[in-house]
Amino acid sequence: RKEVEQDPGPFNVPEGATVAFNCTYSNSASQSFFWYRQDCRKEPKLLMSVYSSGNEDGRFTAQLNRASQYISLLIRDSKLSDSATYLCVVKTNTGNQFYFGTGTSLTVIP
Amino acid sequence: GAVVSQHPSRVICKSGTSVKIECRSLDFQATTMFWYRQFPKQSLMLMATSNEGSKATYEQGVEKDKFLINHASLTLSTLTVTSAHPEDSSFYICSARDIRELTDTQYFGPGTRLTVL
Repeated sequence: RKEVEQDPGPFNVPEGATVAFNCTYSNSASQSFFWYRQDCRKEPKLLMSVYSSGNEDGRFTAQLNRASQYISLLIRDSKLSDSATYLCVVKTNTGNQFYFGTGTSLTVIP
Repeated sequence: GAVVSQHPSRVICKSGTSVKIECRSLDFQATTMFWYRQFPKQSLMLMATSNEGSKATYEQGVEKDKFLINHASLTLSTLTVTSAHPEDSSFYICSARDIRELTDTQYFGPGTRLTVL
């Protein structure tokens, strides 16, 4: 079983739509959680960390459900510039191993 | 802040040659840097953790004699792909953690696209 699993998509949504991605992780000892975005042929860039209480940054909201071992990302009022691959990243509380999901592809359509 | 650079951004070489990739943290110090590899349509796979002043820690299945890592200073780590072969063609990305930050946030370099002919 993979450490981190994501629906690869693709998600094609119109501008202004709300879209949500989920990510599940297998290790209950996971400690740190992140969402990164990666544009085609570029490096990943940190979108936001995910905290137990949930957190919001503008149009982006991240939630963590430890009981069910999943993380979610909600994007409201989608913009064309949101088109990218969104990577779910999980780190356990031992060692330096960060586990990356395969990414969810989002295309926002005019 | 938190800028990581990589050099070169792209390299094409013949099979059998060695390629050196540099990863620099420009505005912060990093005792730990990470080297990843990403094949097309796949996720990043951690190859090794580079520790300043000590040996790198390699992930299972990664040959330490083929992928030489040196982390001689708090701002520079290098990855050398020795005797490169076409199957080593990939996107190599480094990341670094700011020693001042208590979080696990990693800052990624722009990547190096290696093509071995």
